[in-house]
Amino acid sequence: GENVEQHPSTLSVQEGDSAVIKCTYSDSASNYFPWYKQELGKRPQLIIDIRSNVGEKKDQRIAVTLNKTAKHFSLHITETQPEDSAVYFCAASRNVEKLTFGTGTRLTIIP
Amino acid sequence: NAGVTQTPKFRVLKTGQSMTLLCAQDMNHEYMYWYRQDPGMGLRLIHYSVGEGTTAKGEVPDGYNVSRLKKQNFLLGLESAAPSQTSVYFCASRSLGDEQFFGPGTRLTVL
Repeated sequence: GENVEQHPSTLSVQEGDSAVIKCTYSDSASNYFPWYKQELGKRPQLIIDIRSNVGEKKDQRIAVTLNKTAKHFSLHITETQPEDSAVYFCAASRNVEKLTFGTGTRLTIIP
Repeated sequence: NAGVTQTPKFRVLKTGQSMTLLCAQDMNHEYMYWYRQDPGMGLRLIHYSVGEGTTAKGEVPDGYNVSRLKKQNFLLGLESAAPSQTSVYFCASRSLGDEQFFGPGTRLTVL
């Protein structure tokens, strides 16, 4: 089955700086890669996703890049704000039906 | 429109006791999922359903059973609870689109 590795497990950045979280996947047939944000005590919520026919996708301060050859994808957050502090999970899926999640990155924005 | 709801929010069980977690969604979604979330391990899929009357095993199905008798409900059962099942349980649902919508979670402690 699919295996997703996520790094780093914790990340602290100064407010206003950029944050990058990286994930690798094992199944070359995976074609859907979402990112979920989970605030403390809350439910995970989708923030951005990308399909394998696209190399990059942006939504305001958030972007995701995908390298199919290397089987890795990354989340980029620019101009970080205190409300970006949360745990971020990447995931991969072959057909959207089932997601395999990474182990999460706890992002802390330092004011 | 309540989205995805879970009952109960918290529960404490003794080893060997049984219980059922209820997930309900009012979005007419076809797909429903049960995950468990443990520190440092991300979200792991227990069981899922692609439609009313269907169920399938996920990544960590042992010790759990599920039923989807009605489209809007997905039940997760623990027949004989073990301390290793102490976790936060999340239900999710999705339509034919990509995004999974999560419930608020159930925190279960098995003593």
